[in-house]
Amino acid sequence: KNQVEQSPQSLIILEGKNCTLQCNYTVSPFSNLRWYKQDTGRGPVSLTIMTFSENTKSNGRYTATLDADTKQSSLHITASQLSDSASYICVVSAKDTGRRALTFGSGTRLQVQP
Amino acid sequence: DVKVTQSSRYLVKRTGEKVFLECVQDMDHENMFWYRQDPGLGLRLIYFSYDVKMKEKGDIPEGYSVSREKKERFSLILESASTNQTSMYLCASRGSGQTYGYTFGSGTRLTVV
Repeated sequence: KNQVEQSPQSLIILEGKNCTLQCNYTVSPFSNLRWYKQDTGRGPVSLTIMTFSENTKSNGRYTATLDADTKQSSLHITASQLSDSASYICVVSAKDTGRRALTFGSGTRLQVQP
Repeated sequence: DVKVTQSSRYLVKRTGEKVFLECVQDMDHENMFWYRQDPGLGLRLIYFSYDVKMKEKGDIPEGYSVSREKKERFSLILESASTNQTSMYLCASRGSGQTYGYTFGSGTRLTVV
């Protein structure tokens, strides 16, 4: 069964600090991995997408890494801001399963405090 | 930018009512999806559609139906709302091809009382 596990479940950090969120997956055959940011009461918004051959991808202060061998990804947030407070969801897509390819993690809830 | 618009942000309905959740996308995407999101469970696929009038059940279709009469619109129907259908409902769309991203609507928070 395809699964995506995220850790930690929740995290509180001080403004300006860095943090790293983890995602482990068992989706096969792997196609790509996305990180989404979801503000409270809103829909998820894509941050990064990574395919099998990509090890790292950045989007401003967000940097995602992917280790396809160990089936792990991380999302590193640099110099956190209050607006980074949100849930971060790891989503893995499987190949050749057409339209219902996505497996979602339960998310990490990040709270940035002043 | 692709836009996925859900007609309501918040809805309160009574048990037994028939409920319609509407979703419209403006990028001519073939694929549209309905998910529900509950704390600790992540997003779970209810139904998806890959073309007009075409639909397939997701992981939790019980108690729901869908309609896709036009390419841009995908409706989720709760035939007889129950309290366990209180949830956040998210619509998404995606173009064809593996690397196309999913675009989500802002969500509808449904409360069934």
